[in-house]
Amino acid sequence: AQRVTQPEKLLSVFKGAPVELKCNYSYSGSPELFWYVQYSRQRLQLLLRHISRESIKGFTADLNKGETSFHLKKPFAQEEDSAMYYCALIGTASKLTFGTGTRLQVTL
Amino acid sequence: SQTIHQWPATLVQPVGSPLSLECTVEGTSNPNLYWYRQAAGRGLQLLFYSVGIGQISSEVPQNLSASRPQDRQFILSSKKLLLSDSGFYLCAWSRASGGGTDTQYFGPGTRLTVL
Repeated sequence: AQRVTQPEKLLSVFKGAPVELKCNYSYSGSPELFWYVQYSRQRLQLLLRHISRESIKGFTADLNKGETSFHLKKPFAQEEDSAMYYCALIGTASKLTFGTGTRLQVTL
Repeated sequence: SQTIHQWPATLVQPVGSPLSLECTVEGTSNPNLYWYRQAAGRGLQLLFYSVGIGQISSEVPQNLSASRPQDRQFILSSKKLLLSDSGFYLCAWSRASGGGTDTQYFGPGTRLTVL
């Protein structure tokens, strides 16, 4: 079975502080991992995917197969980063499984 | 460009009443289509997906059904709603590239409250 775990429901950081949103997965094969984001009053959208190995809006995420993690990181949080973040995995039969989400709150 | 629409945006229905949520996609042909639900305190759960007209795969046995009467139309239905059907329903599409690993694009969602 494939599973995605996001242990934090809410993460509150000060503006300019580093951010790390945790994501751990369970999957026996080679997964494809994603981070999706939902800003207030906007629809859910893709933030980044691990195969692209790119930085989007200053965020990066590295797939660590040894720790089965795909944590989302940003060195300096901005107010506009406040949103709901979902980690997701594509595994068996191309099924996309989401974590429960973490709300990031960036305060002044 | 491609766009995806869902309606209604919000819906309040009594227990036992029928349900019909509609999703349409514009600007692409033969998309893969998906219905997700987000219940309170839970992650996004895949309910149904479709790779073509009349082709529906159900991921979770439940009180809901889905249909795809046209290439870019995906409908989520129920004959009799339960309290547990309350939640936020999202429709999504992806390109039919095979393998299913293409990015999924989400609609604005429908918040359903069953009383």
